[in-house]
Amino acid sequence: LAKTTQPISMDSYEGQEVNITCSHNNIATNDYITWYQQFPSQGPRFIIQGYKTKVTNEVASLFIPADRKSSTLSLPRVSLSDTAVYYCLVGDFKTIFGAGTRLFVKA
Amino acid sequence: DGGITQSPKYLFRKEGQNVTLSCEQNLNHDAMYWYRQDPGQGLRLIYYSQIVNDFQKGDIAEGYSVSREKKESFPLTVTSAQKNPTAFYLCASSPRTLSNYEQYFGPGTRLTVT
Repeated sequence: LAKTTQPISMDSYEGQEVNITCSHNNIATNDYITWYQQFPSQGPRFIIQGYKTKVTNEVASLFIPADRKSSTLSLPRVSLSDTAVYYCLVGDFKTIFGAGTRLFVKA
Repeated sequence: DGGITQSPKYLFRKEGQNVTLSCEQNLNHDAMYWYRQDPGQGLRLIYYSQIVNDFQKGDIAEGYSVSREKKESFPLTVTSAQKNPTAFYLCASSPRTLSNYEQYFGPGTRLTVT
């Protein structure tokens, strides 16, 4: 199972772009990279998923280098409502949900 | 409106009592999961089911039991054998268990045992 490492916390200001990087050195060939967002006392919510290169949707972009040993979630122009915990998962459901990255957006 | 429902949102029990947490989905997903989350921590997998009438233990199954008699339902029983049952419990589902399928989570049940 691929182990992931991401920063414990990050601070940002409204309107800024936030990049959260996740390291996953032992990612397997068929593993996808998935990011979830969780607000307090709620279930995690899917943000974005990718396998290689770049994926973009209406809320975020995911950058994956060629060696796939890391990935970066990019949140453009964050707002106060983006304050949450962000989890990076590599592989299937058996991957351990670590403590994630606590993003705090300030006014 | 498709999704996952968990009930109740808050549950209080006395020590020594078994308690069952409900999880229902109308997404027609084959796979369902139960996770436990403690304050400030990530999620830990309790049980999962890939298909009706089949389920497997996750990382912390001791003191818990599940059933999967219907595709849409995956109830979790927290037994008196679970030493620290107070936690936030999350149910999830996905079309399959493969890594390219996202999980859909319910709103969670906060269980407090005193």
